[in-house]
Amino acid sequence: SQQGEEDPQALSIQEGENATMNCSYKTSINNLQWYRQNSGRGLVHLILIRSNEREKHSGRLRVTLDTSKKSSSLLITASRAADTASYFCATPCPGFKTIFGAGTRLFVKA
Amino acid sequence: GAVVSQHPSWVICKSGTSVKIECRSLDFQATTMFWYRQFPKQSLMLMATSNEGSKATYEQGVEKDKFLINHASLTLSTLTVTSAHPEDSSFYICSAPGLAGSRDEQFFGPGTRLTVL
Repeated sequence: SQQGEEDPQALSIQEGENATMNCSYKTSINNLQWYRQNSGRGLVHLILIRSNEREKHSGRLRVTLDTSKKSSSLLITASRAADTASYFCATPCPGFKTIFGAGTRLFVKA
Repeated sequence: GAVVSQHPSWVICKSGTSVKIECRSLDFQATTMFWYRQFPKQSLMLMATSNEGSKATYEQGVEKDKFLINHASLTLSTLTVTSAHPEDSSFYICSAPGLAGSRDEQFFGPGTRLTVL
């Protein structure tokens, strides 16, 4: 079963613009992770934010976490065509399982 | 970071045949591995948890006789799609928890694309 819902489902922007994706989840979590998937490829781990953190940065990525609203956002600044991919939030479940959100398909136009 | 490989990368088979997909942890041991299925433009759906030395545990709605999982060693789990049909065509991805069974990170294989004709 899927834990999270993400919006938007699809996002198309111009190169250089910022892209924001949101994720909501249902149960209590210890951490939340974001992954990227290029078309037809495996997953790349982007960033992990723990439940006691509100914001985290990694390069052009900024992730926020609001545990009271059970939501997280991923911001990609100064987007590039190479950022075109699907982005998923993921939360851990008992037994080391990882449950994925529905994903946001990002298309960055050059 | 840790590396997980899958073989084959893609496979095309006739309806009714069985297909085996391998998932290997290359530089670490994994007592637990996970198998996911992903249909086009959809998210990853957890199918089952592969446990070394014991039976796999399947998510609700996944047929264990259809998707046979064997975790033969600490570095290898296999998923066999038995009597494959076109509706089984999908992208199958495995993952393993990080080092020392860390809950914090999963390492994913590159995926196997299965097409059943």
